[in-house]
Amino acid sequence: NAGVTQTPKFQVLKTGQSMTLQCAQDMNHEYMSWYRQDPGMGLRLIHYSVGAGITDQGEVPNGYNVSRSTTEDFPLRLLSAAPSQTSVYFCASSARPSNQPQHFGDGTRLSIL
Amino acid sequence: RKEVEQDPGPFNVPEGATVAFNCTYSNSASQSFFWYRQDCRKEPKLLMSVYSSGNEDGRFTAQLNRASQYISLLIRDSKLSDSATYLCVVYLSGYSTLTFGKGTMLLVSP
Repeated sequence: NAGVTQTPKFQVLKTGQSMTLQCAQDMNHEYMSWYRQDPGMGLRLIHYSVGAGITDQGEVPNGYNVSRSTTEDFPLRLLSAAPSQTSVYFCASSARPSNQPQHFGDGTRLSIL
Repeated sequence: RKEVEQDPGPFNVPEGATVAFNCTYSNSASQSFFWYRQDCRKEPKLLMSVYSSGNEDGRFTAQLNRASQYISLLIRDSKLSDSATYLCVVYLSGYSTLTFGKGTMLLVSP
């Protein structure tokens, strides 16, 4: 069972570069979300989606874009990478976040130089 | 403002000890509550949901106190493998999102 698959696992970027973090799930979950995790800050919600074609901002959306063209995929785009975006990024999916577990991907470790 | 507060620890306990963590939340409209476990440099995984009447899963007991707006996690007979960070998570109806606490680190020593 694949679950939630994130790619790449590691990435180093230069300031100003753009890139897309990929997230795919094979559980037919409607709800998907992106978090970043920084030391001492815990998990912070960047963007989320409650279904294909529907996205919304979380706590820290600036500098990131998302789209949800299919139920399976929820890519996160960094428009112009900044050192402050150095972090570990987790994608998660859930059938219903109110009472069903969030399934997380393995994470993407991103460094911006 | 949505907020979930946890003592970051670390809690250092010997094997076999009983340890308890608390978590407070600020929004009284919070609907659902969970404990997640996160191992070092790994993804978080659901440990257990927290029900109003309290619930138990093996060595783990979770309780909810809505009046005081806190949830707790009790671990009995600690094992070395329990060493991890425990995340308190709250679902707020209307926002369709989960809010994670910063986590409490537990270190179980031989």
